[in-house]
Amino acid sequence: DGGITQSPKYLFRKEGQNVTLSCEQNLNHDAMYWYRQDPGQGLRLIYYSQIVNDFQKGDIAEGYSVSREKKESFPLTVTSAQKNPTAFYLCASSFMTGAPYEQYFGPGTRLTVT
Amino acid sequence: KQEVTQIPAALSVPEGENLVLNCSFTDSAIYNLQWFRQDPGKGLTSLLLIQSSQREQTSGRLNASLDKSSGRSTLYIAASQPGDSATYLCAVSPNTGFQKLVFGTGTRLLVSP
Repeated sequence: DGGITQSPKYLFRKEGQNVTLSCEQNLNHDAMYWYRQDPGQGLRLIYYSQIVNDFQKGDIAEGYSVSREKKESFPLTVTSAQKNPTAFYLCASSFMTGAPYEQYFGPGTRLTVT
Repeated sequence: KQEVTQIPAALSVPEGENLVLNCSFTDSAIYNLQWFRQDPGKGLTSLLLIQSSQREQTSGRLNASLDKSSGRSTLYIAASQPGDSATYLCAVSPNTGFQKLVFGTGTRLLVSP
């Protein structure tokens, strides 16, 4: 089955610790994205990558870091510098060539930091 | 800066009703608009995508329309069922070729039997 997997589904961490969220896709998509969702708010873009070894900051990149060493993988690290890390994190991917560039989403990771 | 608004924020209807969800955006220079469904605690499922050159798209009981010039889209759900209960999100992609979606805050739909 083609799709996007995110792990773990739930993650609990103590304040001050870095944590890495996994995102893998087998759709052969070029572009990958990380979004954050908070209650009552729309999704906000954290980082995105159009090609291996290249990525750009989204609207709320402060306190986060990413890597794109393989086309299939786009892990997100939530660092201790992120002031309010508790949220639902969603990974997505899409083709970069050939309209209509529909985005597909993973099941999400719920991160709780105490 | 593009802003997307969805009205109403919540909607409760009895099973069998036809209903309309609204989405408006402030900048009409969009490449496409996507409607998503999100069940509690889950990821997003793409329902319909309308390209800027299109007026509407249909999938089963769902019909989405787009009026780019007025900055509006509607999602029409025919003969609603309890299984349609979820949050519905719309998102627009700016006219830059790369799909940085801007999301609305969603409409939470409850269909009661």
